[in-house]
Amino acid sequence: AQTVTQSQPEMSVQEAETVTLSCTYDTSENNYYLFWYKQPPSRQMILVIRQEAYKQQNATENRFSVNFQKAAKSFSLKISDSQLGDTAMYFCAFLKGYGGSQGNLIFGKGTKLSVKP
Amino acid sequence: EAGVTQSPTHLIKTRGQQATLRCSPISGHTSVYWYQQALGLGLQFLLWYDEGEERNRGNFPPRFSGRQFPNYSSELNVNALELEDSALYLCASSLAGRNYGYTFGSGTRLTVV
Repeated sequence: AQTVTQSQPEMSVQEAETVTLSCTYDTSENNYYLFWYKQPPSRQMILVIRQEAYKQQNATENRFSVNFQKAAKSFSLKISDSQLGDTAMYFCAFLKGYGGSQGNLIFGKGTKLSVKP
Repeated sequence: EAGVTQSPTHLIKTRGQQATLRCSPISGHTSVYWYQQALGLGLQFLLWYDEGEERNRGNFPPRFSGRQFPNYSSELNVNALELEDSALYLCASSLAGRNYGYTFGSGTRLTVV
């Protein structure tokens, strides 16, 4: 079974600085996808970034980028130029490739990020 | 385009009662997923429906059940409510390929007293 571990329950960063959130996962699959989701106090889960395991190039979305280390099964999220609106819970998630029997996102327990002015 | 909508926003029930939660996916999405987010426990997978069929089920007792209607909307039923069922219930939808991630609703906060 796949597991996702986020070892940092809480983090804080000053506005405009850079912060990195850690995520490790365990799987025997070769075809899978990794995601970071953000959950602000409004409760809505918002997709931040997506990475395909077969792509070596790290995904980037504006101020958000990942460091994907497949061999180490590590998938960290870097937030550059942090903004107050980035304050939220961040969840790392794993999805087996299409055709797998499981077919659902598996989430880590989350990291609560606070951006301070 | 309307997002994933869930109703009601809040629900208060008494222990032993039944709760019904509803979800409307994004137009064109055929898969619907239900997750339970209890305090301190992260998101736990409950159920996955696709094309009207239950595709997978998480490690929850049978009193958690649901269905998907022909218009792809879905209902989650929780029978014989227990205090520990108090949680935020999130619904998500995706296209059949589902590799692009899910789109989530804002959830239903269920409180069992």
